[in-house]
Amino acid sequence: DVKVTQSSRYLVKRTGEKVFLECVQDMDHENMFWYRQDPGLGLRLIYFSYDVKMKEKGDIPEGYSVSREKKERFSLILESASTNQTSMYLCARQGAWDTQYFGPGTRLTVL
Amino acid sequence: QQQVKQSPQSLIVQKGGISIINCAYENTAFDYFPWYQQFPGKGPALLIAIRPDVSEKKEGRFTISFNKSAKQFSLHIMDSQPGDSATYFCAAAYSGAGSYQLTFGKGTKLSVIP
Repeated sequence: DVKVTQSSRYLVKRTGEKVFLECVQDMDHENMFWYRQDPGLGLRLIYFSYDVKMKEKGDIPEGYSVSREKKERFSLILESASTNQTSMYLCARQGAWDTQYFGPGTRLTVL
Repeated sequence: QQQVKQSPQSLIVQKGGISIINCAYENTAFDYFPWYQQFPGKGPALLIAIRPDVSEKKEGRFTISFNKSAKQFSLHIMDSQPGDSATYFCAAAYSGAGSYQLTFGKGTKLSVIP
């Protein structure tokens, strides 16, 4: 069974706080992804990483950064959280072909 | 910007009926078309996928129909059950870029009523 775990299911933060969302995969796969999911907008790619210390911007990288120091761990960082970053955040890792396996998501609320 | 347009936004089907969700894409370089199913409180999970060398793929009650010339693909759920109630996302990718990025549709919320 594919395992992608995310550190928190629910998170409440205040505007201006620095927020870390952690994602860990159980396989030795290079490609990992961070998405945000909002009603009516589907899933939008924030950043992805194709190897340790390697990253590329997705469609909506503004206000976010990422860190990948080890192959199994991919972190999403909100440098200064804002209310418009209230959302569901989903981490995924690459599988066979173009398949992606998702974690359960972190619902972040920024007050 | 690459887009995948999905319709309808929501769908209500009676138990035993056929659910049909449609997607259209623009980029002819796309060569992989998966459908994901998401239940409340869970991450999306791969349901079924197709490549453009075939026009149809069937797995149990789920079928993808693919029309390359029209740049459209659809998901059919036969004999829909209340347990199929979920949000469905179509997606598209082109593996030639090496990065395996998926472009998702905006989702369809399916409700199957008894």
